[in-house]
Amino acid sequence: DTGVSQNPRHKITKRGQNVTFRCDPISEHNRLYWYRQTLGQGPEFLTYFQNEAQLEKSRLLSDRFSAERPKGSFSTLEIQRTEQGDSAMYLCASTHLGKGKLNEQFFGPGTRLTVL
Amino acid sequence: GQQVMQIPQYQHVQEGEDFTTYCNSSTTLSNIQWYKQRPGGHPVFLIQLVKSGEVKKQKRLTFQFGEAKKNSSLHITATQTTDVGTYFCAGGGNTPLVFGKGTRLSVIA
Repeated sequence: DTGVSQNPRHKITKRGQNVTFRCDPISEHNRLYWYRQTLGQGPEFLTYFQNEAQLEKSRLLSDRFSAERPKGSFSTLEIQRTEQGDSAMYLCASTHLGKGKLNEQFFGPGTRLTVL
Repeated sequence: GQQVMQIPQYQHVQEGEDFTTYCNSSTTLSNIQWYKQRPGGHPVFLIQLVKSGEVKKQKRLTFQFGEAKKNSSLHITATQTTDVGTYFCAGGGNTPLVFGKGTRLSVIA
């Protein structure tokens, strides 16, 4: 399977716990995005990477959220001290940014987080 | 910051009827992308429009980008049950995509 993969697919945690999600983008894609999606809403941008560099982080994003892409391949998103309001689907997407490229984003299946 | 609005929020149609969703941005866009998300699925890229006034067709789907590059529309002719899902527009460029809330399409057979 050469698509974007995300693990775990589902995560149930108690309020106050830390959680970490992983995203494996399509190989050779140099850009990786994290989004959050709640019911009835479109994907909301969280942060993105160009290779291993984190280029932008949403101003709405709490300091409890951190993301890494250490080798420019897979990425992790960590949420510390989870709150019930963090319950959502966390989507990862990748694309290859380059001259003449379409820049379409390929989304993974998402990780559904439930905070009790 | 940039906002992207879509209307309607929901649309229920009989199979065979046409469907249109509209997208409006608060700012001029470099390009606009459209995605479809099936129930329980993830967004899947449909198309990207770049030029002012651009019109693109994919079988029964017609996409338009406004002259001012601030609005766009997606029109589906003769809907089928396979068209069910939520259609999102997303404003793009050198900054990360800003998605609208989407239009959820239901098709009654």
